[in-house]
Amino acid sequence: KQEVTQIPAALSVPEGENLVLNCSFTDSAIYNLQWFRQDPGKGLTSLLLIQSSQREQTSGRLNASLDKSSGRSTLYIAASQPGDSATYLCAGRGSTLGRLYFGRGTQLTVWP
Amino acid sequence: GAVVSQHPSWVICKSGTSVKIECRSLDFQATTMFWYRQFPKQSLMLMATSNEGSKATYEQGVEKDKFLINHASLTLSTLTVTSAHPEDSSFYICSAAGTPGGVGANVLTFGAGSRLTVL
Repeated sequence: KQEVTQIPAALSVPEGENLVLNCSFTDSAIYNLQWFRQDPGKGLTSLLLIQSSQREQTSGRLNASLDKSSGRSTLYIAASQPGDSATYLCAGRGSTLGRLYFGRGTQLTVWP
Repeated sequence: GAVVSQHPSWVICKSGTSVKIECRSLDFQATTMFWYRQFPKQSLMLMATSNEGSKATYEQGVEKDKFLINHASLTLSTLTVTSAHPEDSSFYICSAAGTPGGVGANVLTFGAGSRLTVL
């Protein structure tokens, strides 16, 4: 069974710092790896999706990498802002579209 | 873009009562919807896959008689927690995938979630 671990569980940093959030998974047979943002009381917002054949994806200040052989993905956030404060989840997709294996998330706080 | 609406956002009920949660795709048709739950400090876990016009598929360990799922139309799936107990208190979230070739096809769009508290 796929197990996804996210480190750290929580992170508090001053505005402007560059951040790295880590995600590891036990089964390399994932279809893709996705990073989400979850705000309190809100649903999940997809940030980046990396197909199993890809190594990284970028969107604005966000960059996500995937190394299937080592079972790791990282989310890099450049020049963090208070608006980035949220919980960040990574999820590996299994055999079907909705079969996502989520980590417990990293709760990020960026203070001004 | 594709939008999924989930209602209610919060619900508090007494032990033994039943609670219905709705998941609607607002601007696209969803053949398949998925229900997840998240206990405090735990990961989101897939509970069941809801297919329009057919029976839902439940994950191992999820009681189908307790968590009734109905997907009667291409835009609505409902999750009913029957005879709810305090241990059912959790955050329930749905996602929807658009019909092949349509809006949101092969992409999951998540609802905002429903927090259930059973007293």
